[in-house]
Amino acid sequence: GAGVSQSPRYKVTKRGQDVALRCDPISGHVSLYWYRQALGQGPEFLTYFNYEAQQDKSGLPNDRFSAERPEGSISTLTIQRTEQRDSAMYRCASSLGQGRSGNTIYFGEGSWLTVV
Amino acid sequence: SQQGEEDPQALSIQEGENATMNCSYKTSINNLQWYRQNSGRGLVHLILIRSNEREKHSGRLRVTLDTSKKSSSLLITASRAADTASYFCATDDGNQFYFGTGTSLTVIP
Repeated sequence: GAGVSQSPRYKVTKRGQDVALRCDPISGHVSLYWYRQALGQGPEFLTYFNYEAQQDKSGLPNDRFSAERPEGSISTLTIQRTEQRDSAMYRCASSLGQGRSGNTIYFGEGSWLTVV
Repeated sequence: SQQGEEDPQALSIQEGENATMNCSYKTSINNLQWYRQNSGRGLVHLILIRSNEREKHSGRLRVTLDTSKKSSSLLITASRAADTASYFCATDDGNQFYFGTGTSLTVIP
């Protein structure tokens, strides 16, 4: 597609429920990143993929968070047993090349998650 | 954790004035990028400066990088009301992109 597409744009869920956030990167982009952004803060790295391989998941807060990119294109970020502290904007980004050095990363509009 | 620190946290100027915001970081980097975020919207890439560059221009934007001081500045000249947004620096250390907390710029018409 023309840009990074994320869905849903807004999600309200009850505490304890699982949520899945989807990211469709720019066509042909090798690398895909997930960030979380709280109000008034900058994006915080969660994880990233080159093709289908998860290269770095050191930013995932705990084992309730997981991500996959099975075919090297669309990615899903899953949060199990959601808690109120998970409420944030979840941003996906993609870049053309492998790795990060010198690559411009393009962000989607994000998915607002509210856990009530 | 976030590596970049922007300064100031908030800046309010009159339309037509220049706006300068700064970013400091902690470790060696391969490049540094500046992004703009309009309220509640996505992040838009503005400019990338590599570690071996000292200054770069793009339209009304001027970015400097001082690797000895581990700092960068973004200058927006002849500001417009449409420049009102949050501005973030992102550092690339070859492993991760780190974003700072941002500078909130308000340009008063």
